[in-house]
Parts: sequence; C-alpha cells; structure tokens
Amino acid sequence: EAGVTQSPTHLIKTRGQQATLRCSPISGHTSVYWYQQALGLGLQFLLWYDEGEERNRGNFPPRFSGRQFPNYSSELNVNALELEDSALYLCASSPTWKDRDRRNQPQHFGDGTRLSIL
Amino acid sequence: AQTVTQSQPEMSVQEAETVTLSCTYDTSESDYYLFWYKQPPSRQMILVIRQEAYKQQNATENRFSVNFQKAAKSFSLKISDSQLGDAAMYFCAYRQNYGGATNKLIFGTGTLLAVQP
Repeated sequence: EAGVTQSPTHLIKTRGQQATLRCSPISGHTSVYWYQQALGLGLQFLLWYDEGEERNRGNFPPRFSGRQFPNYSSELNVNALELEDSALYLCASSPTWKDRDRRNQPQHFGDGTRLSIL
Repeated sequence: AQTVTQSQPEMSVQEAETVTLSCTYDTSESDYYLFWYKQPPSRQMILVIRQEAYKQQNATENRFSVNFQKAAKSFSLKISDSQLGDAAMYFCAYRQNYGGATNKLIFGTGTLLAVQP
C-alpha cells in the first residue's frame, strides 16, 4: 500500500512569490491534514480537509489556503511568501471522521516539502 | 486550550540499554488520544505507539511501551534494547476524541534521541 506522497521534495522561492504544495493521501483515506514545521516553532496545525470540505483551520493568515480534489488529493497554497514561511510542510491522511469504525485511526504522514524562501 | 510539553530537548542512550522520554499534557477533556511519533533525519513522521485515554492498560509495541498516568497527565515512552536505528527526534502528540469539529494533532517540541554504539 502506497503511503502519503508529497511533491515537490524541495521548493525554493523568493519573497512575494506564491508556492503550491501537493499531497496524495493513502488509498481509502479522505481526510488530509497540513502541518508546518518551522525551526524553533515546532509542528503547527494548518488545515484539515475531509471529503472536499475544509473542516478546520489553524491560526495562520489567509495567505495560507488550500483545497481538496474529488480524488482526495490536496494542494496547499501560500501567497505573498515571507521569509518566515521557510519550513518543512507535512501532509498527513486518515479515514473520514464520518466512519465510526475507522475515524480514530491515527494520522499517517508523508515525507514533507521543504519550502525555502530567499 | 490543550498543550503538550516535552521537557527533555535531548537524550542519549547506549545501544542495548533502556531510555525513557517524558511527556506531560494539559487538557480539560476526558476522552482523547496520545501518540508518540518518531522523525528520523529522512523527515518522515512515523507513528511509534498510541494510547486511548479511556484504556487504563498501557500500550506496548515490541520494544516500545508507554507509562500513561491519566490523573497526572503524563505519557512517557520507554524504549528497551535501544538500537542505532532508534536515533531520531521523538514527538509526543495529543488529539481530542472526536466530534468532527477538530481532528488536529497538538505536538510537543520534541526530544532528540542519540544512540551511542
């Protein structure tokens, strides 16, 4: 079974540009989560999508947005990039919260995208 | 708001020895999950073990076991017979059980474990 896949592995941008990060969940998982792992700030929850809907959002500015496609893959978009956006962005997936039997399975993570802002 | 605290930024253990990583958390909820994740230099976050708060029995997974003290809000990880491949950053994480409103993981700051040959 393929795990969570993220692309690209590394992304280099300059201030003010836009970045798009992609994530494909484990087959059968419809929930996708995005986390930011910045140096000195630890892992912070960004966004949660389930079955195409945004379910929950962390304490991040509107520059951070995303979407989930019908095949449950997801994109994270970061507009007007700032130096402090440099971080490892991790995507995770799990079964939908609507599935009573599987909803409490743990989240499984991808390898992350390293976003570097010059 | 829920918080997770890992008070040991770094730990070191000799190969084949046992090490315990500490984690405390704060929540007013009674129904939740606790996790230990491992992040080696390869970056991928790997689930090590999980504990359901309503279960009194401590979870075990091969060489990994937890000491879950609900009243004290403590959740430590014990690694027995440490191996070189155990060297990684270890994160303790909390997740509230589920009403569909939020499913986010709240992480501690991590403990970097070194394994000495």
